Amino acid sequence: EVQLVESGGGLVKPGSSLKLSCVASGFTFSSYGMHWIRQAPKKGLEWIALIYYDSSNKYYADSVKGRFTISRDNSKNTLYLEMNSLRSEDTAMYYCAKEWAYWGQGVMVTVSS
Amino acid sequence: DIQMTQSPASLSASLGETVTIECRASEDIYNGLAWYQQKPGKSPQLLIYNANSLHTGVPSRFSGSGSGTQYSLKINSLQSEDVASYFCQQYYDYPTFGSGTKLEIK
Repeated sequence: EVQLVESGGGLVKPGSSLKLSCVASGFTFSSYGMHWIRQAPKKGLEWIALIYYDSSNKYYADSVKGRFTISRDNSKNTLYLEMNSLRSEDTAMYYCAKEWAYWGQGVMVTVSS
Repeated sequence: DIQMTQSPASLSASLGETVTIECRASEDIYNGLAWYQQKPGKSPQLLIYNANSLHTGVPSRFSGSGSGTQYSLKINSLQSEDVASYFCQQYYDYPTFGSGTKLEIK
């Protein structure tokens, strides 16, 4: 059974940094591209980043480009999202996803002074 | 970016009824479209991919259709467990989502 478990969220101040993790199980993690998607409270969904199976390519939404970095460690079956220069508008539930068919339960990030 | 315009924003229907939700893309997305169901406090669940392919385990009362810039999700014989928000998503280009449709039972 495919499982994706996010962690690392919390309450941080504007300008701070945070690193999210997504631990994968139930499939060959090193064979699949992975996404991060977020959803602000009571709002819609926003794709924010994609990393290829071998980290050879990474893509970002304009809203996070230059501030967020997606990475992965295939030896640990773990996907990461490093978030810098956080803003109030980054407040959201953050999900990792495999090929759109499998999503984690999400982790909440709140950016507030 | 490709914009996805989803309608209606909310929908109220009776049990057993058929409902349709629509999405219009700002340009041709060549059937690169998915539909998701999201219940409160839960992550989105894939229903349909490639515009009309039913994801594994999804009841057959859900169906997708469309082409070019116009796509729709149809739910036949509405059940109480279908109460949720529904989102379309295009993945032909950098992924973008519709704004969602909240479905309630009348």
